[in-house]
Amino acid sequence: DTGVSQDPRHKITKRGQNVTFRCDPISEHNRLYWYRQTLGQGPEFLTYFQNEAQLEKSRLLSDRFSAERPKGSFSTLEIQRTEQGDSAMYLCASSPMDTQYFGPGTRLTVL
Amino acid sequence: GENVEQHPSTLSVQEGDSAVIKCTYSDSASNYFPWYKQELGKRPQLIIDIRSNVGEKKDQRIAVTLNKTAKHFSLHITETQPEDSAVYFCAASRAAAGNKLTFGGGTRVLVKP
Repeated sequence: DTGVSQDPRHKITKRGQNVTFRCDPISEHNRLYWYRQTLGQGPEFLTYFQNEAQLEKSRLLSDRFSAERPKGSFSTLEIQRTEQGDSAMYLCASSPMDTQYFGPGTRLTVL
Repeated sequence: GENVEQHPSTLSVQEGDSAVIKCTYSDSASNYFPWYKQELGKRPQLIIDIRSNVGEKKDQRIAVTLNKTAKHFSLHITETQPEDSAVYFCAASRAAAGNKLTFGGGTRVLVKP
Protein backbone atom coordinates (compact mmCIF):
# COMPACT_ATOMS: atom_id res chain seq x y z
CA ASP A 1 0.00 0.00 0.00
CA THR A 2 1.60 3.24 -1.15
CA GLY A 3 -0.90 5.55 0.56
CA VAL A 4 -0.48 7.64 3.69
CA SER A 5 -0.13 5.53 6.83
CA GLN A 6 -0.49 6.47 10.48
CA ASP A 7 0.46 4.71 13.67
CA PRO A 8 -1.05 3.87 16.06
CA ARG A 9 -4.63 3.70 14.81
CA HIS A 10 -6.02 3.97 18.31
CA LYS A 11 -4.55 5.33 21.53
CA ILE A 12 -6.14 5.39 24.95
CA THR A 13 -4.28 7.34 27.59
CA LYS A 14 -4.84 8.85 30.98
CA ARG A 15 -5.02 12.59 31.49
CA GLY A 16 -1.61 14.08 32.02
CA GLN A 17 0.30 11.48 30.00
CA ASN A 18 2.29 12.26 26.86
CA VAL A 19 1.45 10.65 23.53
CA THR A 20 3.20 10.57 20.17
CA PHE A 21 1.70 9.78 16.78
CA ARG A 22 3.51 8.96 13.56
CA CYS A 23 2.61 9.69 9.96
CA ASP A 24 4.30 8.22 6.89
CA PRO A 25 3.38 10.22 3.79
CA ILE A 26 3.34 9.15 0.17
CA SER A 27 7.03 9.03 -0.63
CA GLU A 28 7.29 11.66 -3.34
CA HIS A 29 5.08 14.22 -1.55
CA ASN A 30 6.99 17.15 -0.09
CA ARG A 31 4.08 18.60 1.91
CA LEU A 32 2.64 17.05 5.03
CA TYR A 33 -0.34 18.35 7.02
CA TRP A 34 -1.84 17.51 10.40
CA TYR A 35 -5.54 18.00 11.13
CA ARG A 36 -7.78 17.24 14.08
CA GLN A 37 -11.33 15.98 13.67
CA THR A 38 -13.91 15.73 16.43
CA LEU A 39 -17.12 13.75 16.10
CA GLY A 40 -19.55 15.28 13.63
CA GLN A 41 -17.19 18.03 12.52
CA GLY A 42 -14.91 18.63 9.58
CA PRO A 43 -11.15 18.32 10.03
CA GLU A 44 -9.40 21.40 11.44
CA PHE A 45 -5.91 22.40 10.34
CA LEU A 46 -3.16 22.11 12.95
CA THR A 47 0.18 22.49 11.18
CA TYR A 48 2.06 21.73 7.98
CA PHE A 49 5.53 21.01 6.68
CA GLN A 50 7.23 21.63 3.40
CA ASN A 51 9.98 19.03 3.40
CA GLU A 52 11.49 19.30 6.91
CA ALA A 53 10.44 22.91 7.54
CA GLN A 54 7.37 23.55 9.67
CA LEU A 55 5.81 26.52 7.89
CA GLU A 56 2.63 27.22 9.84
CA LYS A 57 0.97 26.35 13.11
CA SER A 58 -2.69 26.98 13.86
CA ARG A 59 -3.79 28.88 16.94
CA LEU A 60 -5.47 25.58 17.88
CA LEU A 61 -2.01 24.14 18.48
CA SER A 62 -1.22 24.99 22.09
CA ASP A 63 2.33 24.79 23.39
CA ARG A 64 1.56 21.27 24.62
CA PHE A 65 1.60 20.17 20.97
CA SER A 66 4.77 19.76 18.96
CA ALA A 67 5.37 18.33 15.53
CA GLU A 68 8.49 17.36 13.68
CA ARG A 69 9.40 16.06 10.26
CA PRO A 70 13.07 15.11 10.39
CA LYS A 71 14.70 14.64 7.01
CA GLY A 72 11.44 15.57 5.28
CA SER A 73 10.05 12.06 5.41
CA PHE A 74 7.82 10.79 8.22
CA SER A 75 6.35 13.17 10.78
CA THR A 76 5.53 12.90 14.47
CA LEU A 77 2.95 14.79 16.49
CA GLU A 78 3.46 14.82 20.25
CA ILE A 79 0.93 15.96 22.82
CA GLN A 80 2.28 16.58 26.30
CA ARG A 81 0.17 16.52 29.47
CA THR A 82 -2.92 15.33 27.63
CA GLU A 83 -6.31 16.73 28.57
CA GLN A 84 -9.77 15.26 27.98
CA GLY A 85 -10.38 17.96 25.38
CA ASP A 86 -7.57 16.48 23.29
CA SER A 87 -9.75 13.44 22.55
CA ALA A 88 -10.22 13.44 18.78
CA MET A 89 -9.15 11.84 15.52
CA TYR A 90 -5.75 13.12 14.40
CA LEU A 91 -5.42 12.99 10.63
CA CYS A 92 -2.32 13.34 8.54
CA ALA A 93 -2.36 14.25 4.84
CA SER A 94 0.37 14.49 2.26
CA SER A 95 0.45 16.47 -0.93
CA PRO A 96 2.66 17.12 -3.94
CA MET A 97 1.13 20.59 -4.36
CA ASP A 98 -2.58 21.29 -3.62
CA THR A 99 -4.34 17.91 -3.66
CA GLN A 100 -4.17 16.29 -0.23
CA TYR A 101 -4.43 12.57 0.48
CA PHE A 102 -5.37 11.55 3.98
CA GLY A 103 -4.18 8.76 6.18
CA PRO A 104 -6.53 6.60 8.26
CA GLY A 105 -6.02 8.73 11.35
CA THR A 106 -5.14 8.06 14.96
CA ARG A 107 -8.10 8.09 17.32
CA LEU A 108 -7.03 9.46 20.71
CA THR A 109 -9.13 8.91 23.80
CA VAL A 110 -8.03 10.69 26.98
CA LEU A 111 -9.58 9.24 30.13
CA GLY B 1 -8.99 33.58 7.76
CA GLU B 2 -11.11 31.47 5.45
CA ASN B 3 -14.60 30.38 6.50
CA VAL B 4 -16.50 27.66 4.66
CA GLU B 5 -20.18 27.01 5.23
CA GLN B 6 -21.91 23.88 3.95
CA HIS B 7 -25.61 23.08 3.48
CA PRO B 8 -27.60 21.03 4.13
CA SER B 9 -26.21 19.23 7.18
CA THR B 10 -28.25 16.13 6.36
CA LEU B 11 -29.73 14.95 3.09
CA SER B 12 -31.96 11.96 2.51
CA VAL B 13 -32.66 10.88 -1.08
CA GLN B 14 -34.28 7.95 -2.79
CA GLU B 15 -31.97 5.66 -4.74
CA GLY B 16 -31.68 6.91 -8.30
CA ASP B 17 -32.44 10.53 -7.42
CA SER B 18 -29.90 13.37 -7.48
CA ALA B 19 -28.20 14.95 -4.48
CA VAL B 20 -26.86 18.49 -4.33
CA ILE B 21 -24.63 19.94 -1.61
CA LYS B 22 -23.72 23.61 -1.52
CA CYS B 23 -20.78 25.44 0.03
CA THR B 24 -19.86 29.09 0.35
CA TYR B 25 -16.43 30.48 1.16
CA SER B 26 -15.27 33.85 2.40
CA ASP B 27 -11.73 34.32 1.05
CA SER B 28 -11.81 35.50 -2.57
CA ALA B 29 -8.16 34.43 -2.92
CA SER B 30 -9.04 30.75 -2.42
CA ASN B 31 -8.25 28.87 -5.60
CA TYR B 32 -8.65 25.15 -4.88
CA PHE B 33 -11.86 23.41 -3.84
CA PRO B 34 -11.86 19.67 -3.12
CA TRP B 35 -14.69 17.42 -2.01
CA TYR B 36 -14.12 14.49 0.33
CA LYS B 37 -16.31 11.51 1.17
CA GLN B 38 -15.91 10.01 4.63
CA GLU B 39 -17.51 6.76 5.69
CA LEU B 40 -17.86 5.96 9.37
CA GLY B 41 -14.47 5.31 10.93
CA LYS B 42 -12.63 5.76 7.63
CA ARG B 43 -10.30 8.38 6.23
CA PRO B 44 -11.59 11.32 4.15
CA GLN B 45 -11.39 10.21 0.54
CA LEU B 46 -10.98 12.75 -2.26
CA ILE B 47 -13.79 12.30 -4.78
CA ILE B 48 -13.44 15.38 -7.00
CA ASP B 49 -11.79 18.78 -6.96
CA ILE B 50 -11.93 21.99 -8.93
CA ARG B 51 -9.55 24.89 -9.36
CA SER B 52 -10.50 28.52 -9.72
CA ASN B 53 -9.70 28.69 -13.44
CA VAL B 54 -12.50 26.20 -14.19
CA GLY B 55 -16.25 26.61 -13.75
CA GLU B 56 -17.35 23.00 -13.87
CA LYS B 57 -15.85 19.53 -13.69
CA LYS B 58 -17.48 16.15 -14.11
CA ASP B 59 -16.41 12.60 -13.28
CA GLN B 60 -19.01 9.95 -14.11
CA ARG B 61 -21.94 10.52 -11.69
CA ILE B 62 -20.24 13.34 -9.81
CA ALA B 63 -19.91 16.96 -10.87
CA VAL B 64 -18.75 20.12 -9.18
CA THR B 65 -19.57 23.71 -10.17
CA LEU B 66 -17.79 26.85 -9.03
CA ASN B 67 -19.07 30.43 -9.05
CA LYS B 68 -16.13 32.66 -8.11
CA THR B 69 -18.16 35.85 -8.20
CA ALA B 70 -20.66 34.55 -5.68
CA LYS B 71 -18.00 32.55 -3.82
CA HIS B 72 -19.89 29.32 -3.82
CA PHE B 73 -19.41 25.82 -5.18
CA SER B 74 -21.64 22.79 -5.32
CA LEU B 75 -21.41 19.02 -5.54
CA HIS B 76 -23.91 17.15 -7.68
CA ILE B 77 -24.36 13.40 -7.47
CA THR B 78 -26.67 11.86 -10.05
CA GLU B 79 -28.31 8.41 -10.02
CA THR B 80 -27.52 7.97 -6.35
CA GLN B 81 -26.78 4.48 -5.04
CA PRO B 82 -26.82 3.12 -1.46
CA GLU B 83 -23.01 3.10 -1.46
CA ASP B 84 -23.08 6.89 -1.87
CA SER B 85 -24.32 7.08 1.74
CA ALA B 86 -21.59 8.84 3.75
CA VAL B 87 -20.59 12.23 5.10
CA TYR B 88 -19.37 14.64 2.43
CA PHE B 89 -17.08 17.57 3.18
CA CYS B 90 -16.27 20.54 0.99
CA ALA B 91 -13.06 22.48 1.55
CA ALA B 92 -11.20 25.50 0.25
CA SER B 93 -7.55 26.49 0.15
CA ARG B 94 -5.23 28.99 -1.48
CA ALA B 95 -1.70 28.49 -2.66
CA ALA B 96 -0.35 31.58 -0.89
CA ALA B 97 -1.46 30.12 2.45
CA GLY B 98 0.30 26.81 1.95
CA ASN B 99 -2.83 25.15 0.60
CA LYS B 100 -4.05 24.32 4.08
CA LEU B 101 -7.64 23.17 3.83
CA THR B 102 -10.56 24.85 5.57
CA PHE B 103 -13.46 22.42 5.71
CA GLY B 104 -17.19 22.90 5.79
CA GLY B 105 -19.22 21.28 8.53
CA GLY B 106 -20.16 18.25 6.46
CA THR B 107 -23.33 16.81 4.94
CA ARG B 108 -24.61 13.41 6.00
CA VAL B 109 -26.13 11.81 2.91
CA LEU B 110 -28.46 8.84 3.23
CA VAL B 111 -29.54 7.06 0.06
CA LYS B 112 -32.62 4.97 0.69
CA PRO B 113 -33.01 1.85 -1.47
